[in-house]
Amino acid sequence: DAKTTQPNSMESNEEEPVHLPCNHSTISGTDYIHWYRQLPSQGPEYVIHGLTSNVNNRMASLAIAEDRKSSTLILHRATLRDAAVYYCILSYLYNQGGKLIFGQGTELSVKP
Amino acid sequence: NAGVTQTPKFQVLKTGQSMTLQCAQDMNHNSMYWYRQDPGMGLRLIYYSASEGTTDKGEVPNGYNVSRLNKREFSLRLESAAPSQTSVYFCASSAIRTAGELFFGEGSRLTVL
Repeated sequence: DAKTTQPNSMESNEEEPVHLPCNHSTISGTDYIHWYRQLPSQGPEYVIHGLTSNVNNRMASLAIAEDRKSSTLILHRATLRDAAVYYCILSYLYNQGGKLIFGQGTELSVKP
Repeated sequence: NAGVTQTPKFQVLKTGQSMTLQCAQDMNHNSMYWYRQDPGMGLRLIYYSASEGTTDKGEVPNGYNVSRLNKREFSLRLESAAPSQTSVYFCASSAIRTAGELFFGEGSRLTVL
């Protein structure tokens, strides 16, 4: 199974952009790249996902390298509420239920 | 719109006791999942059900059983609880064919003494 590698922690200042990196050098051609975040004492929540092209939604942007071996989650203006653990995940067996295997994630702290 | 509802939210068990964690979703999703999260760790998949009538093992299935009761409900049973099963348990659901957007419940905190 393809794995992801993320930094354990990152810091950001409020209202500045944040770039959260993820390496997935053994990604297969059919693996989607997903990002979830988990606020303290809550269940994870979906942020964004993509396959090959860059993706934007109201929460964030996902930039995917041309070779798909890495990706970056971009928060355009960090707020204090964005302090969370961010998980980069590859979907396995997509056609059999889309199960997601979580890694350790990156703990993002946001300073006022 | 409740989303994914888990019960109970908190439970304390003694070693060897049994219990069932209940999960229900009202989004008409086909797939449902049980994860556990130990302190300071990421989530680990215990079991999942790709569709009603099917269940499959995840990363850490030992010591657990599941039942997909119907499309809405997916329960997780601990037959003989052990201290190593002290954890926060999350249920999630997703609509198959939507590239895996999972909706999570609020979690059930289980302590086994």
